[in-house]
Amino acid sequence: DIQMTQSPSTLSASVGDRVTISCRASQSISAWLAWYQQRPGKAPRLLIYKASSLESGVPSRFSGSGSGTEFTLTISSLQPDDFATYYCQQYNSYPVTFGQGTKLEIK
Amino acid sequence: QVQLVESGGGVVQPGRSLRLSCAASGFTFSSYGIHWVRQAPGKGLEWVAVISYDGSGKKYADSVKGRTTISRDNSKNMVYLEMNSLRAEDTAVYSCAKSDYSHYYFDYWGQGILVTVS
Repeated sequence: DIQMTQSPSTLSASVGDRVTISCRASQSISAWLAWYQQRPGKAPRLLIYKASSLESGVPSRFSGSGSGTEFTLTISSLQPDDFATYYCQQYNSYPVTFGQGTKLEIK
Repeated sequence: QVQLVESGGGVVQPGRSLRLSCAASGFTFSSYGIHWVRQAPGKGLEWVAVISYDGSGKKYADSVKGRTTISRDNSKNMVYLEMNSLRAEDTAVYSCAKSDYSHYYFDYWGQGILVTVS
């Protein structure tokens, strides 16, 4: 199975900050990576697919980059709604696997 | 709009069985694969199973393989997850999710249903 490792596990930031979350795959997954946002008690929401493609309706302050084994999710200017947990997911091969999550907290 | 609604959860004793249902609407159901993903309380996301658009292809996570069967009824826009020999570690919120046409990321999710094995 492909292991996905996110860092950091927790991130404290303020409204307006630029933040970056990293995701590393245990083997190359090309660009077959998605990012999700999950607010407490809610279903995950797709933000990014194919490493850098923005899902329809997602604000442009969200962006993704990377390929192979190293990926990043960047939020250019944090908004109050962005404080949530973020997960990466590889879909290069089954079983699809998720990172352990990064909790973005208000500083 | 796309909707996925799970049902069938609840409290079940260890060793017993449970069948979860996922009712889909708002898209051409028979054209898309459907997945189950679970999340134990306070934990991350774990993929459980997938069924292809026509039901001919099925895959399972090792953690549920041999105890779980995924099925679908395209005439009713329904997907089912039958879980047997339930264990305490199966306690989680179970969500069904629609995958993209040709790739296995999840563009729509249900709200999830809690299964407690105790």
